[in-house]
Amino acid sequence: DIQMTQSPSSLSASVGDRVTITCRASQSINSYLNWYQQKSGQAPKFLIFAASTLQRGVPSRFSGSGSGTNFTLTISSLQPEDFATYFCQQGYSSPPTFGPGTKVEI
Amino acid sequence: EVQLVESGGGLIKPGGSLRLSCVASGFTFSNGWMSWVRQAPGKGLEWVGRIKSKADGGTTDYAAPVKGRFTISRDDSKNTLYLQMNSLKTEDTAVYHCTTEGYTYGPLFDYWGQGALVTVSS
Repeated sequence: DIQMTQSPSSLSASVGDRVTITCRASQSINSYLNWYQQKSGQAPKFLIFAASTLQRGVPSRFSGSGSGTNFTLTISSLQPEDFATYFCQQGYSSPPTFGPGTKVEI
Repeated sequence: EVQLVESGGGLIKPGGSLRLSCVASGFTFSNGWMSWVRQAPGKGLEWVGRIKSKADGGTTDYAAPVKGRFTISRDDSKNTLYLQMNSLKTEDTAVYHCTTEGYTYGPLFDYWGQGALVTVSS
């Protein structure tokens, strides 16, 4: 199975900050990388697919980049509703696997 | 609006069985591939398995830790997805989310239910 890692595991930030989360795959996954947001007590929400394409309705302050083994999720100006845990997921090979998550805290 | 509502969770002893249900609405359920994804308390997300639409063969795939113990099925007449869990182990304790499964660059999970908590403990 392809192993996914994320860094940092948690970070503290303020409203208006630029935040960057890194996701790494144990082997090349081209651009087969998706991102999810999970707020406390809620189901995950699908944010980005194919490494950089925003799902409909996702604010443009979110962006994704990368290919191969290294990927980033960037929030350009953190808003109060963005405090959550973010997971990456690879779809390159079965089984689909998720990163351990990055918690963005105030 | 897509809605997925799971039910059937609870406390069960190791070795026991449990069946989860997920009622779907807001999309054409029969056309959709569906997956179960679980989340152990305080942990990350783990894909459990999927069922394809009947038009695509209706076949199932499972993650290694549950293969041979869990069975995914669907009743398109009831817009309902099922997860039959047998020979449960303490490590199966998790919130089980029903998800729709899309595909662009590989599988993705675009809509999620709130989840059903399964606790396996003696």
